[in-house]
Amino acid sequence: EVQLLESGGGLVQPGGSLRLSCAASGFMFSNYAMNWVRQAPGKGLEWVSGISGSGGSTNYADSLLGRFSIYRDNSKDTLYLQVNILRAEDTAVYFCARSDDYGDPFDYWGQGTLVTVSS
Amino acid sequence: SYGLIQPLTVSVALGQTARIICGGDNIVSKNVHWYQQKTGQAPVLVIYRGVNRPSGIPERFSGSYSGSSSTLTISRAQAGDEADYYCQVWDSSTVVFGGGTRLTVL
Repeated sequence: EVQLLESGGGLVQPGGSLRLSCAASGFMFSNYAMNWVRQAPGKGLEWVSGISGSGGSTNYADSLLGRFSIYRDNSKDTLYLQVNILRAEDTAVYFCARSDDYGDPFDYWGQGTLVTVSS
Repeated sequence: SYGLIQPLTVSVALGQTARIICGGDNIVSKNVHWYQQKTGQAPVLVIYRGVNRPSGIPERFSGSYSGSSSTLTISRAQAGDEADYYCQVWDSSTVVFGGGTRLTVL
């Protein structure tokens, strides 16, 4: 059974940093691209970033202004998102989601981890 | 940047057919994916590449293209279909979601 389990969310002050993790199981992790999608309270889905199966290719939403970094450790079947210089508008549930490759649908999603940016 | 437009809300009577439209520039040339998200839950893929249904998704869910839009059709709507629905495409190696449509089953 495919499972994705996010962790690392919490309350952080503006300007702070967090590292989010997504532990994968039930499939060959390195064969799949992975993505982060966020959802602010009461708002729609917003794609944040994606990474290829090997980790050699990454892409980001333009709105992030270089503050986020996606990477993966295929030996640990884990995806990460380093989030820096956090702002109130980064408050959201962050989901990880699997896709076969770029262009493919997100066929499995985790349950999400909540990041709250507030002083 | 590429944009997808969805109606904020769609209502359907129990047992009737709901249609949710997703509009975008030359959308018929893109693979449109559709997700269902119930309150407090993660999204679930219900249609991929415009017309395909993943295993486990009821046949009542179908997708199509017409003109400048992609349409998600839910036949014989049930109370359990109440949710937010999002369309999604890839554009220049980035992902674009529509704003989402809240489906209400009356």
